[in-house]
Amino acid sequence: GEDVEQSLFLSVREGDSSVINCTYTDSSSTYLYWYKQEPGAGLQLLTYIFSNMDMKQDQRLTVLLNKKDKHLSLRIADTQTGDSAIYFCAPRVSDTDKLIFGTGTRLQVFP
Amino acid sequence: DTGVSQNPRHKITKRGQNVTFRCDPISEHNRLYWYRQTLGQGPEFLTYFQNEAQLEKSRLLSDRFSAERPKGSFSTLEIQRTEQGDSAMYLCASSFAGTRGDEQFFGPGTRLTVL
Repeated sequence: GEDVEQSLFLSVREGDSSVINCTYTDSSSTYLYWYKQEPGAGLQLLTYIFSNMDMKQDQRLTVLLNKKDKHLSLRIADTQTGDSAIYFCAPRVSDTDKLIFGTGTRLQVFP
Repeated sequence: DTGVSQNPRHKITKRGQNVTFRCDPISEHNRLYWYRQTLGQGPEFLTYFQNEAQLEKSRLLSDRFSAERPKGSFSTLEIQRTEQGDSAMYLCASSFAGTRGDEQFFGPGTRLTVL
């Protein structure tokens, strides 16, 4: 079945860049999304990338996709304390419209 | 319309009781999804609708769970004879099929606690 893996924790200093990595198994995923979840809240869509792209930049966010290795990353430039949250990558399964989530990466930003 | 809304935000119930949650999607979104999220895990897909048609149901959705979207707008998720294992955050999302990106936008969730 489809699977998504992310490292559980990442700790960075305020002002540094954060890189959150994700590997997935469904090679036919058409869209791959990044969501942010703050404690007790729903999921906020940050950005997405289409499978025929290898990079997408959106303000402080840069998404890199290596389709051959099924590896996705999210880089957050100039990380702020408000970026502290759990980040989920979520490939969309190609023959349905459901998203597959892993356990997420908890980003902690310290001053 | 500012986003997906869900009611109630919190529900505490006793084991064996029935509960019903409501989701109002973003206006004009024709797809509506239900996910469940347990503590420390990512959301898991439960089911989704295109307009009023329920197109897919996960194996996670036991016979005690039923979802409806009668007029293709809001949706309800009912859990009958709740069990402690049903305790979770129930998330609703909506999208407009065919748009570039097909983004799913999530509501704030309904947190269910079964005692």
